[in-house]
Amino acid sequence: EVQLVESGGGLVQPGGSLRLSCAASGFIFSNYEMNWVRQAPGKGLEWVSYISSSGGRTIYYADSVKGRFTISRDNAKNSLFLQMNSLRAEDTAVYYCARELPIDYWGRGTLVAVSS
Amino acid sequence: DIQMTQSPSSLSASVGDRVSITCRASQGIRNFLAWYQQKPGKDPKLLIYAASTLQSGVPFRFSGSGSGTDFTLTINSLQPEDVATYYCLKYSTDPFTFGPGTKVDIK
Repeated sequence: EVQLVESGGGLVQPGGSLRLSCAASGFIFSNYEMNWVRQAPGKGLEWVSYISSSGGRTIYYADSVKGRFTISRDNAKNSLFLQMNSLRAEDTAVYYCARELPIDYWGRGTLVAVSS
Repeated sequence: DIQMTQSPSSLSASVGDRVSITCRASQGIRNFLAWYQQKPGKDPKLLIYAASTLQSGVPFRFSGSGSGTDFTLTINSLQPEDVATYYCLKYSTDPFTFGPGTKVDIK
């Protein structure tokens, strides 16, 4: 069974940093491209970042996070990461780890709240 | 960047009705379009990919059509369990973009 479990969310002050992790199981992680998608409270889905399969040589970011967020993966540990720096109030959202394009599996999400 | 719009933003229909939701891309995206269903408090579920291919396990009352810039998700015979918000996703090229969503409820 495919499982994606996010962790690392929490409350952070504006300008602060957080590192999200996603532990993957039930499939050959290195074979799949991965994404982060977020959803602000009461709002729609927003794609955040993409990393290609295997070596992760292809990476994309939404304009709203470019230069502040960094996606990475560790295939040996079946893990996906999102380093988030210079956080803003508008980054407050549930962050989902999501497999493939089109996305076929989602984690349950981890809440990031940016507030003073 | 290619923009995605959806219409209507919300709709209310009776059980058994046929319901259609439209997604429009500002430029052609061939058939790189997926549809998702999100129920309150839950993660999204893939319904349709490649514009018209039904994901395994999804009820046959869901169907998708379209290519290029105009796409439609149809629910034949709306059921109470279909109450949800529906999103389209364009995945042809970066940036990958969701539509703003269509909220469906029962009249």
